[in-house]
Formats: sequence, structure tokens, C-alpha cells
Amino acid sequence: GENVEQHPSTLSVQEGDSAVIKCTYSDSASNYFPWYKQELGKRPQLIIDIRSNVGEKKDQRIAVTLNKTAKHFSLHITETQPEDSAVYFCAAITSGGSYIPTFGRGTSLIVHP
Amino acid sequence: DVKVTQSSRYLVKRTGEKVFLECVQDMDHENMFWYRQDPGLGLRLIYFSYDVKMKEKGDIPEGYSVSREKKERFSLILESASTNQTSMYLCASSGYNYGYTFGSGTRLTVV
Repeated sequence: GENVEQHPSTLSVQEGDSAVIKCTYSDSASNYFPWYKQELGKRPQLIIDIRSNVGEKKDQRIAVTLNKTAKHFSLHITETQPEDSAVYFCAAITSGGSYIPTFGRGTSLIVHP
Repeated sequence: DVKVTQSSRYLVKRTGEKVFLECVQDMDHENMFWYRQDPGLGLRLIYFSYDVKMKEKGDIPEGYSVSREKKERFSLILESASTNQTSMYLCASSGYNYGYTFGSGTRLTVV
């Protein structure tokens, strides 16, 4: 089955710095890669996603890149703000398969004011 | 906007009790899921369902069962609660576009 590795498990940055979270996946058939943000005490919420026919996607300060050959994808947050502090989860899904995401273990991002 | 509602935010139960966690979604999604979330372990899939009266085991089904009598409702059952089932439980639903919506979670403490 699919296996998703996420690094780092904890990331601490100063406000205004950039943050990068990386995930690798094992199943080359995976073709949809969402990212979720979970603030303390709240539900995970989808913040951005990318499909395998696209190499990069941006939404304001966040972007996701995908390298299908290397089977890794990354979340980039620029100009970080304290409200970006949260746990971020990546996931990989295979269409035509079970449609069940395989999640990474999460990255706790801390943005210091 | 899809809503996934979990009936309880916090629960405290005694060891050996039968526990029911309820989840309701309002977008006619076919797929529903139960996860538990523990620090350092991420989200682990307990059970899922593709349709009414249908259920499939996830990665950690031991000690749990589920019920899906109606499309909008998916219940997680702890037959005999144990302290190692103390955790945050998250319900989720999805349609055919892969979009996943989570409930707010139920923090269960078994004493």
C-alpha cells in the first residue's frame, strides 16, 4: 500500500521567514495530494491541493510543488505569521483505487512573533 | 459548505463501558471515515464506509466497530472501552471529488 513520509515533525521559524514541509510517497499511481492545516483544538481543514498533472500551485502565501519522478511534494509558506502556527498534514490519494488518503504524520509549525 | 458534525466534543467514560461516537454529514457524501489522532502518530484510520450498511476495516480496527444505517450517519462503537482508547477521534466524509471534510473531533478519556 501507499506510504507517506513527512518531514520535519517540528518546525520553528521567526515571523516573516519562509517555511517548507516535505512529503514523499511510495505509490507511483497516487495522483492527488492535499494539504491540511489543523489549528490547536480545531478540525483539520484543506488549505491547498495539487493533482499529478500539475507541477506547482499557488494561493497567496502558500504554494505546493510536486515532483512525480522523485515522488515528493512540498508545502511552502512565505512571510509566515503567528496565525500560521498549526499542525500541517500532507496526504496522497490514488484515483481508481480506494480513494482513501494516506496521511503523513504531521508537522507542528511554530511561528515566533 | 459541507458540515460534518460530531455529537460530543468531550467524553469521559469508565473502563469496560460501551461507548458510542456519532457523526452526521449533510452533503449526501457516499464515503465516511473514522480516525483516531494521537501525538506523534498522526491520523490513523479505524473504519470506513462507502455506502449504507457497508463497512471496511482500516489500519487499527481492533476494539472498535461501526454502524451505518443511514447515508448521513456513521457511528463508531467501542464495545468495551479501555484506557488505551483514550484519544481524539475524528470523523470525515468525502464525495467523488476526493474532497475530505473533517468533523471537529471528540476527545475521549477512558478512566
